[in-house]
Amino acid sequence: AQSVTQPDIHITVSEGASLELRCNYSYGATPYLFWYVQSPGQGLQLLLKYFSGDTLVQGIKGFEAEFKRSQSSFNLRKPSVHWSDAAEYFCAVAPYSGGGADGLTFGKGTHLIIQP
Amino acid sequence: NAGVMQNPRHLVRRRGQEARLRCSPMKGHSHVYWYRQLPEEGLKFMVYLQKENIIDESGMPKERFSAEFPKEGPSILRIQQVVRGDSAAYFCASSLPGQRGVHTIYFGEGSWLTVV
Repeated sequence: AQSVTQPDIHITVSEGASLELRCNYSYGATPYLFWYVQSPGQGLQLLLKYFSGDTLVQGIKGFEAEFKRSQSSFNLRKPSVHWSDAAEYFCAVAPYSGGGADGLTFGKGTHLIIQP
Repeated sequence: NAGVMQNPRHLVRRRGQEARLRCSPMKGHSHVYWYRQLPEEGLKFMVYLQKENIIDESGMPKERFSAEFPKEGPSILRIQQVVRGDSAAYFCASSLPGQRGVHTIYFGEGSWLTVV
């Protein structure tokens, strides 16, 4: 079974500074990988996803993520954060076999705090 | 094209009462999934349904919880005799079937259940 680890429960970053949120997955083959963002009391918004091809994927709101097979990682980055980026971020993995969302496994999330 | 619609957004129930959460999938989507998010946790898969059929309920608690997706109308997640530990956000997602599923999954805004 697949699993996802987000090692950082909380991260504090100054506005304008760069950001990297870590995500490590465990799965026997190439997975589908996702990053979602959740603002307080809100639903999930898909930031970006990796299925195949270029290992550096661009998402919405200026986010990008890089798939590194050798490290089983899919870290999320943003060069300059804005106060509106404060939210909970979830990494998720699904099997490459293309199963439906029953295969989506989420990490526990990283809470991002933006300092003025 | 409306997204995945969940209602109610917020629900308060006393211990022992029943909670019913509804989910209308995106137009054209025939697969529905329910996830639960406990406080300070990631999303945990509960159940995967097609119209009139439960595909995978491996994440559902054995007692008090049930789900259906009738031929007509929304999917319903039903929690009988609620307890305080059922307080959580319940998210619904929908997708196209099969291998397209993971490419087309969309989440609703969630239903927040509070048991008092």
